[in-house]
Amino acid sequence: GQQLNQSPQSMFIQEGEDVSMNCTSSSIFNTWLWYKQEPGEGPVLLIALYKAGELTSNGRLTAQFGITRKDSFLNISASIPSDVGIYFCAGLTGGGADGLTFGKGTHLIIQP
Amino acid sequence: DTAVSQTPKYLVTQMGNDKSIKCEQNLGHDTMYWYKQDSKKFLKIMFSYNNKELIINETVPNRFSPKSPDKAHLNLHINSLELGDSAVYFCASSYGTSGGHRSKQFFGPGTRLTVL
Repeated sequence: GQQLNQSPQSMFIQEGEDVSMNCTSSSIFNTWLWYKQEPGEGPVLLIALYKAGELTSNGRLTAQFGITRKDSFLNISASIPSDVGIYFCAGLTGGGADGLTFGKGTHLIIQP
Repeated sequence: DTAVSQTPKYLVTQMGNDKSIKCEQNLGHDTMYWYKQDSKKFLKIMFSYNNKELIINETVPNRFSPKSPDKAHLNLHINSLELGDSAVYFCASSYGTSGGHRSKQFFGPGTRLTVL
């Protein structure tokens, strides 16, 4: 089946630093989604991308749909303590009734 | 205000028992999903239902049986529970077949199942 390679697996950063993470795939996706999960909660949708090359922002978060349709990037600027959590990329190949293919997540830890 | 809700939040049970998890969404979506998150936080699709019809059935043991009484509800029944079934199960929903921005999936808070 399809797999998404998400990196880095974890990040230890100082408050105020910028963060970058990415996902790559051997297959093409039509939609890329980025989720954040906090302990004991379900994944929360952050950004959705629908077209190759698309760049979309949500506050301090910016994500891009790679032009090859096989990768996506998420950047967080000026990190704050509440950014702590696990960030997942997810890809969708079909129209929508398909299940999402998830990356293995990036654990973001902010050091005081 | 709850968009996707699941009950129970926690479920602890003995091996061999049968249990059910319930999911409801009030977003007006026509497609609902079950995902399993393992101890390493990996999320994997189990089932997808569109308008009460099964669309996706990944390689899940037939001890797992989803049931959708209507578009707003998708329940998961598990027979003869095994130790390896311990995980967090997430329900999600979307406008399944439309594609584009309507394909965004929204997740419930999860049910942590522990099999002893």
